[in-house]
Formats: sequence, structure tokens, C-alpha cells
Amino acid sequence: SSELTQDPAVSVALGQTVRITCQGDSLRSYYASWYQQKPGQAPVFVIYGKNNRPSGIPDRFSASSSGNTASLTITGAQAEDEADYYCNSRDRSGNPVVFGGGTKLTVL
Amino acid sequence: QVQLQQSGPGLVKPSQTLSLTCAISGDSVSSNSAAWNWIRQSPSRGLEWLGRTYYRSKWSNDYAVSMRSRITINPDTSKNQFSLQLISVTPEDTAVYYCAREGGGSYDSWGQGTLVTVSS
Repeated sequence: SSELTQDPAVSVALGQTVRITCQGDSLRSYYASWYQQKPGQAPVFVIYGKNNRPSGIPDRFSASSSGNTASLTITGAQAEDEADYYCNSRDRSGNPVVFGGGTKLTVL
Repeated sequence: QVQLQQSGPGLVKPSQTLSLTCAISGDSVSSNSAAWNWIRQSPSRGLEWLGRTYYRSKWSNDYAVSMRSRITINPDTSKNQFSLQLISVTPEDTAVYYCAREGGGSYDSWGQGTLVTVSS
């Protein structure tokens, strides 16, 4: 089955912009979804595809995609954005769903 | 707003069956636009999709290839919930188990998570 690859860790200065990427063959066919997970909590759905955010998610979170890479951008990162971020997408080979390994975001 | 409430034991002995239930409020397990999933998370495997059940004129299930011989996910329309059964567990099945609603291609609601430890 396919895999989604994420950088294990990324850091950003408070108030600056950070991009978290997710790479995989499935992203050539399907949009990515992004989830935020804080310690001891369940993941929270943040954004899907071309900037489809659920209610309650700030608009500083945005998404984009090109080729086999999907990106989550946080414009003006806040301290509360420090968390693990996971991508996922549908897949055609093997399992119908695939997850990335997660990126730990540190806000400095 | 959809809420998912998980229940089930946190400790299972090796070779026995892991059973968890996810009660749904704010939606129906019989919804034609949602699917009801089980996902687990461990330090070694990260987030791992296990399977789902959904209704589209009839009930269907999809299971992860690695789980197909051991997993069953069933809806319970009378209680508006769905369940996970995983047989013949080993310590490798130790993880936090989540139920999640899938809608529009994303997991938009999650249960609180249940840490299941497989140990004698």
C-alpha cells in the first residue's frame, strides 16, 4: 500500500508562518486531510483539500497541494498551535485510507 | 454536533478478544453520507486505520489488509452505535483505539480514545 511521508519535526517562531508537508503517491489522485493532536487528546480535524475548514478552526490554517505533495500552512503561528500534525488521504492500493507519520510542531 | 463516546476494557489478555463500542450522538449510524471507523495509535505504528462500516442502501465494511483475518466492525442501529472486535490479540495490539466519523473524505469527529493494553 501507499505511504505518506512527513518531516518528523518543524519549528516556527511565534507569529511567523510555517508550512508542514506531506508527500505520497496517493496525493496525485486524492486531497489530503489534516489533523491536529495535542498530548493526551484525540486528533482534531483541521482542514481538507482546498481550504475546507470545519467551524471553529481559525483561518490562519490553510492547505494546498501540488503533484504528490500536500501542505498545511499556518500563517501567524500561535502558542496554542504547538502540537502534532497528521495528514491522511484516500488510497487506491491496499487499504482505502493512509496516514502520514506526523510532524511535531514547536512554536518558539 | 456529532459526539462519539467510547467504552470497553482497557486490559485484554493475549490470545483473547478486544471489544470496544462507540456510541453516536448527533448523527445516525445508518447515515447515507457518513462512515464509521476504527483507528488506533501507537508509538511504533503511528495512526493506523483499522476499518469501517457504512450504510449505502445496504451495510458494507472495509478492513485494513493486515487486519482482515482478525477484525469485525458491526453497526447496532437499535442503540445507534458501532463496535470493534479484534480476536487473538498480542502485545503488538497494545495501542490507543479511536472511533471516528468519516464525512466528505475526512475524519471530522473522534471519540475520546481508549488505551488498550494487551498483557497477562
